Amino acid sequence: GAGVSQSPSNKVTEKGKDVELRCDPISGHTALYWYRQSLGQGLEFLIYFQGNSAPDKSGLPSDRFSAERTGGSVSTLTIQRTQQEDSAVYLCASSSFTGSQYFGPGTRLLVL
Amino acid sequence: AQKITQTQPGMFVQEKEAVTLDCTYDTSDPSYGLFWYKQPSSGEMIFLIYQGSYDQQNATEGRYSLNFQKARKSANLVISASQLGDSAMYFCAMREGQGSGSRLTFGEGTQLTVNP
Repeated sequence: GAGVSQSPSNKVTEKGKDVELRCDPISGHTALYWYRQSLGQGLEFLIYFQGNSAPDKSGLPSDRFSAERTGGSVSTLTIQRTQQEDSAVYLCASSSFTGSQYFGPGTRLLVL
Repeated sequence: AQKITQTQPGMFVQEKEAVTLDCTYDTSDPSYGLFWYKQPSSGEMIFLIYQGSYDQQNATEGRYSLNFQKARKSANLVISASQLGDSAMYFCAMREGQGSGSRLTFGEGTQLTVNP
């Protein structure tokens, strides 16, 4: 399909392990966003990429979180030394320069 | 202060009736955009409708319309002729500044239940 895709759809990990979450944006979209949604909550901004500009990392909750975007397309969000409070749905969105954000299906992360 | 406020944690409506979901916002930026998203139980975020701060007319998309009252800083979503499939969580969100160059700030959401 032509939408935003994310993998894996579900991830269960043990406390202290590292995880990588992947986002494949809509082709041609220059902007890519990561958000986190804890159970029953609204979405919390994490990080934003726009073209070749330096990313806006102001929403990352700790230095255990990092993200990169290779070739202006696919992005990977990495969480090191996972904690139980990292359990959430991680949502990726992309948009054209002036457009609305379209979301992927999310990755449900459970840290045991 | 909350940037986006949705005061209705839950709403109920009868099938085929109209329902209004409330959203108020707070910004000092003259250029901003307001969005509504639907999140069914499956979890995906579905874009519904967008209103720019400089738009003269209220946005409409099929059965969805946005009642934009700029002076009151409100951007209520109106769903006409509700359907059972409209049952979902609805989020209001705001983007401050021009273009896509900034994050969305979301409200806490309203859980809508459509009764047969």
